[in-house]
Amino acid sequence: DAKTTQPNSMESNEEEPVHLPCNHSTISGTDYIHWYRQLPSQGPEYVIHGLTSNVNNRMASLAIAEDRKSSTLILHRATLRDAAVYYCILIKAGGTSYGKLTFGQGTILTVHP
Amino acid sequence: GAVVSQHPSRVICKSGTSVKIECRSLDFQATTMFWYRQFPKQSLMLMATSNEGSKATYEQGVEKDKFLINHASLTLSTLTVTSAHPEDSSFYICSARDRDIWSYNEQFFGPGTRLTVL
Repeated sequence: DAKTTQPNSMESNEEEPVHLPCNHSTISGTDYIHWYRQLPSQGPEYVIHGLTSNVNNRMASLAIAEDRKSSTLILHRATLRDAAVYYCILIKAGGTSYGKLTFGQGTILTVHP
Repeated sequence: GAVVSQHPSRVICKSGTSVKIECRSLDFQATTMFWYRQFPKQSLMLMATSNEGSKATYEQGVEKDKFLINHASLTLSTLTVTSAHPEDSSFYICSARDRDIWSYNEQFFGPGTRLTVL
């Protein structure tokens, strides 16, 4: 399975944009890029996903490199409630591992007031 | 939005007892549910995949006789930790996929169950 690499931690100030990087140099053509986040003592929640094109939703934007070997989750204006562990996960389309999420260590985002 | 609940949210038990954790999809039907375990300051580890009406598929290294999973309906999966020991103390989290959404979109996670075995 393709692996992802994320920085262990990042810091941001409230109301500033945050760019969370993820490297996935061994990504295959059928791997979708998903982002989840986990607030303290809670279950993870879905943030966004994409395949090739950049994606936007109410929570964040996902910028995917042209070669798909890296991606960046963008929080346009960080709030204190965005402080969480962010996980970049590759999910293969179809096959026996369909739908399974393999969580790495993620990036701990700290947001300063 | 889709909601997944877990019960109980927190349980403390004595060593050797069995503990059952319920995972329910409240407003959608889930053909597949997943069970994860998370130790302090670590990431989530998938334990097993639970499919409605069939046997669960366990990840390598997870004892199926110790962690019994039942997915009897499209809205309920249960995880029973049998003969729990202190090393089973952990945060157990379930997730569910919406049966009617055939896509690579989100899994919906429960709030987790904190198990402490004394």
